[in-house]
Amino acid sequence: KAGVTQTPRYLIKTRGQQVTLSCSPISGHRSVSWYQQTPGQGLQFLFEYFSETQRNKGNFPGRFSGRQFSNSRSEMNVSTLELGDSALYLCASSLRSSGNTGELFFGEGSRLTVL
Amino acid sequence: AQTVTQSQPEMSVQEAETVTLSCTYDTSESNYYLFWYKQPPSRQMILVIRQEAYKQQNATENRFSVNFQKAAKSFSLKISDSQLGDTAMYFCAFMNFNKFYFGSGTKLNVKP
Repeated sequence: KAGVTQTPRYLIKTRGQQVTLSCSPISGHRSVSWYQQTPGQGLQFLFEYFSETQRNKGNFPGRFSGRQFSNSRSEMNVSTLELGDSALYLCASSLRSSGNTGELFFGEGSRLTVL
Repeated sequence: AQTVTQSQPEMSVQEAETVTLSCTYDTSESNYYLFWYKQPPSRQMILVIRQEAYKQQNATENRFSVNFQKAAKSFSLKISDSQLGDTAMYFCAFMNFNKFYFGSGTKLNVKP
């Protein structure tokens, strides 16, 4: 069973540009959530999508957006990049059913550097 | 709001010894899940151990065990017989209503 796949793995952008990151969840998982990981801050929750609907949202500015497609693949977009957006962006998928015990399955992340 | 605090940014332990990583959380909820996740260098984050808040018995997974103190809102991870492969960032996490809150992480170095 394939794991969570994130692309691209590494990317470098300049301030003001925008970026789109992609995440393919484990087959059968309908929930995809995104996290920003920075040193000292741990993982900060961005948003969660379930069946193409945003179910939860963290405290990030509107420059951060996402969507989920009918095949459960998800994308997140960051517009007008700032230096502080440099981070590892992690995607995680889960079953999110009524009997869900909560385990998240993470991808390897997309490391974004903003110059 | 739920918060998770890991007060030890970095720890070291000798191979084969035991180490305990601390985690405290703050919530007004009574039903929730707690987790420890491990992130090896340049590798995917994986689940180490999970604890349901309604269970009084502490969870155990091989060399990994937790000390769950619900009243104190404490959830520490004990790693016995530490191995070099245990070197990683460890994140404590709280889940309620399918929303996760992570601590800032503890970097564990296992020394030969």
